[in-house]
Amino acid sequence: GESVGLHLPTLSVQEGDNSIINCAYSNSASDYFIWYKQESGKGPQFIIDIRSNMDKRQGQRVTVLLNKTVKHLSLQIAATQPGDSAVYFCAENIRRGGADGLTFGKGTHLIIQP
Amino acid sequence: AAGVIQSPRHLIKEKRETATLKCYPIPRHDTVYWYQQGPGQDPQFLISFYEKMQSDKGSIPDRFSAQQFSDYHSELNMSSLELGDSALYFCASSSREALNNEQFFGPGTRLTVL
Repeated sequence: GESVGLHLPTLSVQEGDNSIINCAYSNSASDYFIWYKQESGKGPQFIIDIRSNMDKRQGQRVTVLLNKTVKHLSLQIAATQPGDSAVYFCAENIRRGGADGLTFGKGTHLIIQP
Repeated sequence: AAGVIQSPRHLIKEKRETATLKCYPIPRHDTVYWYQQGPGQDPQFLISFYEKMQSDKGSIPDRFSAQQFSDYHSELNMSSLELGDSALYFCASSSREALNNEQFFGPGTRLTVL
């Protein structure tokens, strides 16, 4: 079936540098995309979301970019900090506001080196 | 702020036994979701409930059942447990009244089947 996936399983960056985590999705019907952060032993934590009618959305130190033409999603984290070390998942939903389950992509383990 | 509560946090069962996982959503949230996350895997959606009615169904085995009660808490019942059921089980909750229906995840229940 259609799914969401990530290109890289592990990403290592120096503290203070910017990081980019990528995600490819295949369900063109998806309307809503979310990035989650999961620390060891904890549940996924919402970072930022974007609807399909947008190309870019910015939060505090994070930016999500959506390219519908190539079905690609990315998460940019600026000035990475040790607390950013975690596994990051992209997830998609057919529609925003429903009670539908999320389809998660494969996680990327972000490692921040001192 | 109150978060999603799951109990128990850890559970050890033998093959062919049954298990019941409980989820208490954030107050005033009307929708609950169940996800299963195997070791090193992304969360897989199992089932969701809105206002005590099943809303969406994912890859939930026939051996599993779930329900949402009048106080909005939910229980996931698992029977004839198999070794492959060992995983983290997350519950998430959301509110239809929220703009984006963001799903808030609980800390998870770690189920180990021996």
